[in-house]
Formats: sequence, structure tokens, C-alpha cells
Amino acid sequence: GEDVEQSLFLSVREGDSSVINCTYTDSSSTYLYWYKQEPGAGLQLLTYIFSNMDMKQDQRLTVLLNKKDKHLSLRIADTQTGDSAIYFCAESVKDGNKLVFGAGTILRVKS
Amino acid sequence: SAVISQKPSRDICQRGTSLTIQCQVDSQVTMMFWYRQQPGQSLTLIATANQGSEATYESGFVIDKFPISRPNLTFSTLTVSNMSPEDSSIYLCSAAVHSRSRGYTFGSGTRLTVV
Repeated sequence: GEDVEQSLFLSVREGDSSVINCTYTDSSSTYLYWYKQEPGAGLQLLTYIFSNMDMKQDQRLTVLLNKKDKHLSLRIADTQTGDSAIYFCAESVKDGNKLVFGAGTILRVKS
Repeated sequence: SAVISQKPSRDICQRGTSLTIQCQVDSQVTMMFWYRQQPGQSLTLIATANQGSEATYESGFVIDKFPISRPNLTFSTLTVSNMSPEDSSIYLCSAAVHSRSRGYTFGSGTRLTVV
């Protein structure tokens, strides 16, 4: 079945790197996404990766995909207090017409 | 960038009543999606709203409880009917505004509290 799992909580110091991990089960997923949700706000798309890619970098964000192990990670370099939020990974299933979300990882950045 | 406007942003409703949530996209999209986010939990897809046909509901969600309208390619509504406190959640609409490869854009959400 479709399932996405994430670690629930991560605490880092300002300036350090953060790595948020995610595993998924649907091997037919074509796209995988990372979303950010700040308190009281909707979801903001941070980045995505196509399933035939191993890595994607976008400014402070690096996404690594291990398709064999169905493992996805999001690395945030030089983490800032404004990065404190909940981060959701999501996989596209059913020909890309449905997103399955993980439970979300709460990132707390200590100054 | 394209925007999805969702309203109301929040509401407090009496049990047994219904609330209709609206989403307006500033470009035409084929499919719109409605999600529920229960307190402290992740997002669960309620249904896919297709223009010109009935919505497609996920397991555990039924049309009588969550009727959906999709009158055109830029607009959709979700009604939460005969509400109970268990319906207290954030409801979000979403659409692949650019293309699926560039991800799905979400509305800002409707925070519903049923008392």
C-alpha cells in the first residue's frame, strides 16, 4: 500500500545543517516533494525531485533520493530560526494524481 | 506565481450545521484536491474534484458528508455537512497549478472548530 514515514522531531542549532529523512513504499512514484508548514499557515512547496534523479540542489536545500531503498532526505544548510516549521514529504501515486503525505517532521532551530 | 485563494480562513460552527469552503485558483486547472489535516496530524486526501463530473472520494469519505462542487476550471467548494466535534480540522484545497512536475499549490487552509 501507500505509506510515507518520517521522523517526528528534529532540533538543531542556528547555523548548523538539518537533515530530515523520509521513506516511502510506492515504487511507482514519479515525483517526490518536500513541503513546509509554518504555524497557522498552509503548505508551501519547497522543492521536488523526479524519480530518475539522485540529487537536486536549490540554494540552501539539497534533496537526496535513494530509489533502491525508497529513501528521501532534505538537507537544509546554515539553518536559520525562520526555518522552524513542520516539514512534510509526499509522494505522487496513481499516475501522479494523488499525493500521500508523511506525518511531518517538526524542526526546531535554537538560536 | 499562481495563487489559490481559500475562504473562510477559520470558523467556529455549531454541531449539526454545515459549512461550505471555497477555493478560487487564478488559472485554469483540470483537477482540484481537498485534504483534511486533523490536529497534530498529516494531510489526508478527501476527494478529487473534476470539472464536469462527480468528485472521486477516497476510502472513508462519502459524498453525503463532504459534497463537492466544481462548476468551472478555476473554482471548487467543499461542504462539511452535519458537523460534529470530530470534524474539527484544517481543510485545504490544492491544485497542480503549473504542472505535476512542479508540484501542487495549496490554499492557506480553513481552520474549522465544531462546538
